[in-house]
Amino acid sequence: DAKTTQPPSMDCAEGRAANLPCNHSTISGNEYVYWYRQIHSQGPQYIIHGLKNNETNEMASLIITEDRKSSTLILPHATLRDTAVYYCIVRPPSSNTGNQFYFGTGTSLTVIP
Amino acid sequence: DADVTQTPRNRITKTGKRIMLECSQTKGHDRMYWYRQDPGLGLRLIYYSFDVKDINKGEISDGYSVSRQAQAKFSLSLESAIPNQTALYFCATASYLNEQFFGPGTRLTVL
Repeated sequence: DAKTTQPPSMDCAEGRAANLPCNHSTISGNEYVYWYRQIHSQGPQYIIHGLKNNETNEMASLIITEDRKSSTLILPHATLRDTAVYYCIVRPPSSNTGNQFYFGTGTSLTVIP
Repeated sequence: DADVTQTPRNRITKTGKRIMLECSQTKGHDRMYWYRQDPGLGLRLIYYSFDVKDINKGEISDGYSVSRQAQAKFSLSLESAIPNQTALYFCATASYLNEQFFGPGTRLTVL
């Protein structure tokens, strides 16, 4: 599975958009980009995933560059409850290695009042 | 009711004791996983299972064993607990579409 690089921490003002970057320069053609978040010591929560087109759901938007080597997760109006560690993961939809997710250390987002 | 439940939520035990952590799910998923998380670190995979007859080691399986008793149940055992197994343990399930659902976690302390 491709490796990802994320900044270790970011701050965002409450009510503003939070833009979390992820580099995945070695991504393969069949690998999706997934985003999860973990609010302090809780189980990780799925946010969104995409292959090459931009995606949007009720939680966030995912912008993937045309060359697919990087992506950005956008929380359009950050709230204090969005303070969490955000994980960017790339992997194919089905893998002989067991369909597991390799969680790195992610980006710790702090939303500031 | 939660889709993925873990018991116990907290456990303190002594070195050398046998410990079992249990996970149950109502998602109807075939795939189940056990991860551990150490302070300040990401999640690391211990074991995973595609169905009742399938068990696979993850990246840090030494010192652990698992049992898939039914589609809905996946247990993790520490045969002889040691202090460096103190961690937060998460169970997860997944459909073939890859969206994983995590339980609330079990905080294990080995003294």
